[in-house]
Amino acid sequence: GESVGLHLPTLSVQEGDNSIINCAYSNSASDYFIWYKQESGKGPQFIIDIRSNMDKRQGQRVTVLLNKTVKHLSLQIAATQPGDSAVYFCAEKKGAQKLVFGQGTRLTINP
Amino acid sequence: GAGVSQSPSNKVTEKGKDVELRCDPISGHTALYWYRQSLGQGLEFLIYFQGNSAPDKSGLPSDRFSAERTGGSVSTLTIQRTQQEDSAVYLCASSLWGIDTEAFFGQGTRLTVV
Repeated sequence: GESVGLHLPTLSVQEGDNSIINCAYSNSASDYFIWYKQESGKGPQFIIDIRSNMDKRQGQRVTVLLNKTVKHLSLQIAATQPGDSAVYFCAEKKGAQKLVFGQGTRLTINP
Repeated sequence: GAGVSQSPSNKVTEKGKDVELRCDPISGHTALYWYRQSLGQGLEFLIYFQGNSAPDKSGLPSDRFSAERTGGSVSTLTIQRTQQEDSAVYLCASSLWGIDTEAFFGQGTRLTVV
């Protein structure tokens, strides 16, 4: 398949709560996944990546989970802050070197 | 430079004109990518350069689009005979060795065809 899709186009959470952004991918042969954050007027910024030989990877306040059985990827953000408001994209390595991006989820943090 | 630099940041052009968009990757990065992002949409792959290898042009939407990378550094994306549907933000990214290494994006060039 060619697509990487997201379950929800928008997500609103209260400041301080945890947020989970989901992503479904279609190519079971994909071996590398990346989450990007894009703030208004800026280019995407790398958050965290995970390879297919892993189920979970943790960063600072972020965790990425990979479920290869159902081809599902999620990004968990702990204790969300106003600065976390952005559009989040998952991307899948496809073919030799091309990254395929999903539609994006807009995360809004409510005070 | 410290990051990926793109110019111009904004470009308004008349339908039918040609435009050139420039990308200066991070020094030493061998891989360079161009993506297109329409309003509220995801990133659409256009073209990928890796070192001296032949570029992956599979994402270019038509023969009006072309790109080159001179000396393994600066890249220009050229759109000939622009159409209104070409209006989008054009993003460039570079990475050290390829897609298995972190890709850094520039701010993008917002192209508006009127």
